[in-house]
Amino acid sequence: EVQLVESGGVVVQPGGSLRLSCAASGFTFDDYTMHWVRQAPGKGLEWVSLISWDGGSTYYADSVKGRFTISRDNSKNSLYLQMNSLRTEDTALYYCAKGNGLLPDYWGQGTLVTVSS
Amino acid sequence: DIVMTQTPLSSPVTLGQPASISCRSSQSLVHSDGNTYLSWLQQRPGQPPRLLIYKISNRFSGVPDRFSGSGAGTDFTLKISRVEAEDVGVYYCMQATQFPLTFGQGTKVEIK
Repeated sequence: EVQLVESGGVVVQPGGSLRLSCAASGFTFDDYTMHWVRQAPGKGLEWVSLISWDGGSTYYADSVKGRFTISRDNSKNSLYLQMNSLRTEDTALYYCAKGNGLLPDYWGQGTLVTVSS
Repeated sequence: DIVMTQTPLSSPVTLGQPASISCRSSQSLVHSDGNTYLSWLQQRPGQPPRLLIYKISNRFSGVPDRFSGSGAGTDFTLKISRVEAEDVGVYYCMQATQFPLTFGQGTKVEIK
């Protein structure tokens, strides 16, 4: 059974930094791309970032480019999102999702990031 | 960016009756590899999204056959043949043909 467990979400001040983690199990982690997708409170879904199976290719939404960095450690079956220069509009539930090519197929429960002074 | 537009945004339905959601993309979703990467996701209240349909009409693992997808090019439809109580939630279309991946605004399905 595919399991994705996000962690690291907290309350942080504008301009601050945070690293989210996603622990994966139930599939061969280094065979698949991985995504981060976020959902602001009461709003729809916004794709954030994708990383290739080997970490060699990364893609970002314009809204986070230059501020967020996606990475992975295949030896630990873990996905990360380093978030810098956080803004109030980054407040959201952050989901990690297993990729099947570009398609996010399995999703975690999410971790809540609140950016507020 | 490809804009995904869903209609309606709210759909009150009677249990056992059909429901239909439309999704239109601002440009063709046909990829250079010939595939059309249009998916549908369900988000039940308080739950993460769940993949229902991929590449227009393929049901994902464990998805009941009352869910079906159709369409081509820029116009797509999700149909629920007979709505059950567990189908309540928000439904999103999503394109993965090109970066950035984009989602529709969501359609809320509720029971009358």
